[in-house]
Amino acid sequence: DAKTTQPPSMDCAEGRAANLPCNHSTISGNEYVYWYRQIHSQGPQYIIHGLKNNETNEMASLIITEDRKSSTLILPHATLRDTAVYYCIVLKYYGQNFVFGPGTRLSVLP
Amino acid sequence: DAGVIQSPRHEVTEMGQEVTLRCKPISGHDYLFWYRQTMMRGLELLIYFNNNVPIDDSGMPEDRFSAKMPNASFSTLKIQPSEPRDSAVYFCASSYGGGETQYFGPGTRLLVL
Repeated sequence: DAKTTQPPSMDCAEGRAANLPCNHSTISGNEYVYWYRQIHSQGPQYIIHGLKNNETNEMASLIITEDRKSSTLILPHATLRDTAVYYCIVLKYYGQNFVFGPGTRLSVLP
Repeated sequence: DAGVIQSPRHEVTEMGQEVTLRCKPISGHDYLFWYRQTMMRGLELLIYFNNNVPIDDSGMPEDRFSAKMPNASFSTLKIQPSEPRDSAVYFCASSYGGGETQYFGPGTRLLVL
């Protein structure tokens, strides 16, 4: 499965959009991009996933570049409760071997 | 649904003792996963089951670790004998049909002295 690269940390002002980038330059055609987050002392929580089209749900939007070598998770109006570590994972659909890298520690500031 | 349930939430034990961690997946889910999280190694997949059958245990660190799933509603992860380097947070997760969403439990914080 393709590896991912994320910035170790980011800050965002409360109420503003948080844009979290992820590079996955070795992604293959049948691999999806998944995003999970982990709020302090809790288990990881699924956010969104996509293959090549942009996706949106009640939590976030996922923008995948046309060459699929990178993606951006967008939290449109970040709140203090969005402070967490965000993980970008690339995996074949129905693959189970999730590999969680160090992720991006997002701090939403008041 | 109550979500994935893990017990105990905290465990402190002495080196050499047997430790058993328990997990109840979400009802109807057919996949169950065990993860370990440490500061040094991050979140690692240890083993996962499908329909109570272990599918991939390549992440299990060594023979001191064993996992069972006797039925669809219960799984255990056992460490015998425990060592200080086993200190970590152990998460259980479940999913339905091998889909994209794994639901994680609150974790068991294990400290081996």
